[in-house]
Amino acid sequence: DIQMTQSPSSLSASVGDRVTITCRASQRIGSYLNWYQQKPGKAPKLLIYAASSLQSGVPSRFSGSGSGTDFTLTISNLQPEDFATYYCQQSYSTPQYTFGQGTKLEI
Amino acid sequence: EVLLVESGGGLVQPGGSLRLSCAASGFTFSSYDMHWVRQGTENGLEWVSTIGTAGDTYYAGSVKGRFTISRENAKNSLYLQMTSLRAGDTAVYFCVRGHATGLKYYFDYWGQGTLVTVSS
Repeated sequence: DIQMTQSPSSLSASVGDRVTITCRASQRIGSYLNWYQQKPGKAPKLLIYAASSLQSGVPSRFSGSGSGTDFTLTISNLQPEDFATYYCQQSYSTPQYTFGQGTKLEI
Repeated sequence: EVLLVESGGGLVQPGGSLRLSCAASGFTFSSYDMHWVRQGTENGLEWVSTIGTAGDTYYAGSVKGRFTISRENAKNSLYLQMTSLRAGDTAVYFCVRGHATGLKYYFDYWGQGTLVTVSS
């Protein structure tokens, strides 16, 4: 199975900051990498698919990059509503859709 | 508007069974793969099972042989029959729609989740 490792596990930032979250796959997965945001008590929400494609309705301050084994999610100009937990997911090795362990973004 | 509404969660004893349901609306249900994803007490997301549009099924190793996914397209419904439940199955279970675009695949809509607690 492909393992997905996110870093850091938690991150403190302030409104207006730019933050980067990293996701590393245990083997090459091309650009088959998705990012989700989850707020407490809510379902995950798709932000980025195929490593860098922004899901409809997601603000442009979110961006994704990478291919192969190393990927990043960048949030520019952090807004109060962005404080949440972020997960990466590989969709290369279907149907084993492995998720990363999550990165909690805190104030 | 795409909506996925899970039901059927609850408290069950170890070794017991439970059937989860997901009512889908707002899209052509029969045209999409559907999935169950769970989130346990350690809060990580774990893919559980998939059913394709042709009825093909797939399971995580942790539930294979104990869980059965099914769908009823005429009722726009997805199910997860869970048997031989263990404490480790305690989690919020999400019904999720899979979406393919070109060669890319992602989970674009999620239900609100239903809590399954396995405890004596």
